[in-house]
Formats: sequence, structure tokens, C-alpha cells
Amino acid sequence: QLQLQESGPGLVKPSATLSLTCTVSGGSISSGTYYWGWIRQPPGKGLEWIGSMYYSGSTYNNPSLKSRVTISLDTSKNQFSLKMTSVTAADTAVYYCARGTTGYSNGWPWFDPWGQGTLVTVSS
Amino acid sequence: EIVLTQSPATLSLSPGERATLSCRASQSVSSSLAWYRQKPGQAPRLLIYDASNRATGIPARFSGSGSGTDFTLTISSLEPEDFAVYYCQQRSNWPTFGQGTKVEIK
Repeated sequence: QLQLQESGPGLVKPSATLSLTCTVSGGSISSGTYYWGWIRQPPGKGLEWIGSMYYSGSTYNNPSLKSRVTISLDTSKNQFSLKMTSVTAADTAVYYCARGTTGYSNGWPWFDPWGQGTLVTVSS
Repeated sequence: EIVLTQSPATLSLSPGERATLSCRASQSVSSSLAWYRQKPGQAPRLLIYDASNRATGIPARFSGSGSGTDFTLTISSLEPEDFAVYYCQQRSNWPTFGQGTKVEIK
């Protein structure tokens, strides 16, 4: 059974770079035609897709965040990571990593499974 | 950006009752819509993908319907674990989520 687990600092200073890692167990991130990506949820609010990397190496980001976000895969460690630059208090959220899939069709993914999430607070 | 609007914001029902949740897209997404359930303090879990397909391990009491701009998630008989927040998500364009419907105990 595939499992994902986020890790990284819980507190980041304003204007700094947020860095998170997702460790995948129970399967390889280099097998299958999947997306590997990040979704966040501000406290008490809804879900926002941040971005995803396709197994081929192509990356796709939310246009509203595009220039601040970098997603990368480390197949040797079976991990993928998120870097978000120039963070502000508005970036305070629970960050989830998730596998994206399109089944037998093309296009953008739905997300399954998800990691348990990690709260990142942006504050000085 | 495709905007998804969920209604109602809150649904107050009793265990065993039928729940009907709605998701409307700002433009056609064909059948490219998924539904998730998020229990308090947990990550969302995929229930339905591509409008009407149950995800692996999801009970038959969950069903999805619709296409184009109007979609429905139906829970035929609410179990205690179904009192949670439900989100829809479209994948016709870069992914966006609805704002959620909370199903609470009446």
C-alpha cells in the first residue's frame, strides 16, 4: 500500500524559502505514469493545488504561484520536494503531498493517496 | 481558472439519512470531476473520480453523477464516519477545488 509522509520545518520566517520533502513508501516514484505533487490548506479553509511533477520530469504549477514554486523528484531516495520562495503569512497552511493519476485517460490528475499533512507557519 | 461552487455550505442530517451534495463548475469540465471526504484532522480521501467511478475501497453508499457543469455526490445512508467536509475537484484544466460542504449531525 502506497504511503506518503511530509517532513520539513514547521516555522518559516517571512521572505524566506519554504522547503518540504515527501517520502514515499510501498512503491517507487519512478514506476508508472503518475504525477507527484503538493496541495495546501490554510487553517479553517479549503484546498489549493500548488503544483505537480509528472514522472517524465515535466512540472506544472498553479499559475498564481508559478514563479515561487519548484518541485523536484529524487528517485534514488524515493522522495520529492517542494520549494516555495518569498513566503508571507498568507502561505501559512497545512501542506499535503499526494500522488496524482489520470487512470487510462490523459490530462490533469485527481489525487490519491495523500500524506497526513504538515503545518507550516510563516512568522517572525 | 475553473471555479467550482459547492452547495449547500452546510448540510444537517441524521445518521441513516440520505445526503445530496452539489458541485457546479464555471464552465464545462466534461466528466473530469472528483469528490473527496475530509474527516477532522485528517487528509482528504478520494471517493469518486471522473464523476461516477468509486475509488478503491469506497463503499457502495457513495455515488456520483453529472457531466458538463453540474455534479452530485449522493450518500445513500449516512454512517457516523460520513459526518465530515466534502470537496469536489476538477481536472479539465489545472486542478481546482470547490470550497467544501460540511455534513454535520442534526
